[in-house]
Amino acid sequence: EDQVTQSPEALRLQEGESSSLNCSYTVSGLRGLFWYRQDPGKGPEFLFTLYSAGEEKEKERLKATLTKKESFLHITAPKPEDSATYLCAVQPYSSASKIIFGSGTRLSIRP
Amino acid sequence: GAGVSQSPSNKVTEKGKDVELRCDPISGHTALYWYRQSLGQGLEFLIYFQGNSAPDKSGLPSDRFSAERTGGSVSTLTIQRTQQEDSAVYLCASSLASPLVTGELFFGEGSRLTVL
Repeated sequence: EDQVTQSPEALRLQEGESSSLNCSYTVSGLRGLFWYRQDPGKGPEFLFTLYSAGEEKEKERLKATLTKKESFLHITAPKPEDSATYLCAVQPYSSASKIIFGSGTRLSIRP
Repeated sequence: GAGVSQSPSNKVTEKGKDVELRCDPISGHTALYWYRQSLGQGLEFLIYFQGNSAPDKSGLPSDRFSAERTGGSVSTLTIQRTQQEDSAVYLCASSLASPLVTGELFFGEGSRLTVL
């Protein structure tokens, strides 16, 4: 069964304290892995797509990496405005129309 | 409009009543998705539309749930005889291509359903 597991469930950091969020996945052929950001009361907002192991994408203080079993979202010197829930999702070849989401990591950055 | 629009934003109903949730996708987006998000949980896939047809409705939890899309645009998700476990935020998303090329889904802000 295709599955996405994110850890930790919640993470509290001091402003400027770098860290990483983990997304482990099992899927019968990975078409793509995606990261989204979700603010309270809002719908998720697209951040990155990764297609193959070794690939990296960057956007401001965020960098996403991909291996054959997991993806990491690295946050460098975070600011309070980076506080949000970060969702990981996978798209399997077997069911390309269905994107499977993890339950997210709730990130809180203290000033 | 510029983004995906959902209505109502909040709906409180009594157990056993029927509800309809509406989604207006971004103009020109042929693919449309419905997801459900329960408190503190990830997104649960419900149904996918390509144009007016639904090639994947495997996520609908029971026959009380149905959805339709007309004119390749507006979609309605209907829940009949609502139960308390149906309480959740129902999110709609659209995208240009199908199957997805970039993985970029554009989400609405959701319809929060509370069943008393």
